[in-house]
Amino acid sequence: DTAVSQTPKYLVTQMGNDKSIKCEQNLGHDTMYWYKQDSKKFLKIMFSYNNKELIINETVPNRFSPKSPDKAHLNLHINSLELGDSAVYFCASSQWKNSPLHFGNGTRLTVT
Amino acid sequence: TQLLEQSPQFLSIQEGENLTVYCNSSSVFSSLQWYRQEPGEGPVLLVTVVTGGEVKKLKRLTFQFGDARKDSSLHITAAQPGDTGLYLCAGAFGNEKLTFGTGTRLTIIP
Repeated sequence: DTAVSQTPKYLVTQMGNDKSIKCEQNLGHDTMYWYKQDSKKFLKIMFSYNNKELIINETVPNRFSPKSPDKAHLNLHINSLELGDSAVYFCASSQWKNSPLHFGNGTRLTVT
Repeated sequence: TQLLEQSPQFLSIQEGENLTVYCNSSSVFSSLQWYRQEPGEGPVLLVTVVTGGEVKKLKRLTFQFGDARKDSSLHITAAQPGDTGLYLCAGAFGNEKLTFGTGTRLTIIP
């Protein structure tokens, strides 16, 4: 059973489009996250939710909007995609804030 | 924003050799985690260290937390090709969010 699953694995789209990435965890964790990993492999937190409530909102363009319908799901919607949005996006979950993270396998987003 | 510097950035060694990678900060960690990430996958937790001076072993991997809780090291004995990957440290500073280090890309040559 996959603990943290995110879809799609690959996403290729054109500038200006809107796209969504979905994430689900079956670990019963209270906290979920979105991270962005750039071409230099640096992992940067974007958002964190605890029990459906937004607790971390980093300096991210407001074209990025997370949504947590329940504590097992955290989706990421991106409007008006730009070339600089190309990266690998990771969903993660943890039992509580700063406890060890369980990551999904990432979504490689390519904007052309 | 806290900064975690990892060194070296890249390391390529022969199978069977030993190596050490480092994670350093100017601030005190409340805890520190080490992850390994393989291509096409998400990072996977290796260990968490909490107490200054703490040493933890995971088979051929030895993790040490500095006495002052500002640095950590990962030592691998007799490296195997399966150890190849991106090693990431991640530190929590008080109740701040977890911050990831700059990463060490390790390649073990058979």
